[in-house]
Amino acid sequence: QVQLQESGPGLVKPSETLSLTCAVSGYSITSGYYWGWIRQPPGKGLEWIGSIYYTGNIFYNPSLKSRVSMSVDTSNNRFSLRLSSVTAADTAVYYCARPIAPSGGADYWGQGTLVTVSS
Amino acid sequence: EIVLTQSPGTLSLSPGERATLSCRASQSVSSSYLAWFQQRPGQAPRLLISAASNRATGIPDRFSGSGSGTDFTLTISRLEPEDFAVYYCHQYGSSPRTFGQGTKLEIK
Repeated sequence: QVQLQESGPGLVKPSETLSLTCAVSGYSITSGYYWGWIRQPPGKGLEWIGSIYYTGNIFYNPSLKSRVSMSVDTSNNRFSLRLSSVTAADTAVYYCARPIAPSGGADYWGQGTLVTVSS
Repeated sequence: EIVLTQSPGTLSLSPGERATLSCRASQSVSSSYLAWFQQRPGQAPRLLISAASNRATGIPDRFSGSGSGTDFTLTISRLEPEDFAVYYCHQYGSSPRTFGQGTKLEIK
């Protein structure tokens, strides 16, 4: 069974960099599919951050592109998100996922982790 | 970027009634790569429908999706108590992927 688990600091200071990691179990990330990040501010809707293939091909949301970076660690079967120069507007639950793909297959989501930006 | 607009924002119905949720795209959704998610409080989104009309594994047949191009609909034929939640449409055919703002289905 495919499982994803986010990890990282729950509190980040304004202007600093948010860093999260998603550990994948039950499926090798080198077997295919893009792996992605989605966030949800408290009480609001879902926002697509971006997705990454294990070869390094990446799609970022243009609204965040100047501040976001993603990477893959194939040795440890995990992938990561970094978001720089954070403000209170970046406070959200961050989900990692193997998102639904045009080619088909199930989607899988982590449970989500709340990251609060505050001094 | 494809903007998805969901209506209504809130839908108040009773168990047993039929729910119809709408999702309109600002431009045609490639190959009908339109999905519907259900989200309950404190939970991750759950995929209900992919490719506009394909029910995901384990999803009851009271959920159905339809539409193409720019207009899509999620129908819940007979509401069960556990169906009261927030529903999001999501297009995954064009980059960046986008979500609608959500429809809250509440008990009347």
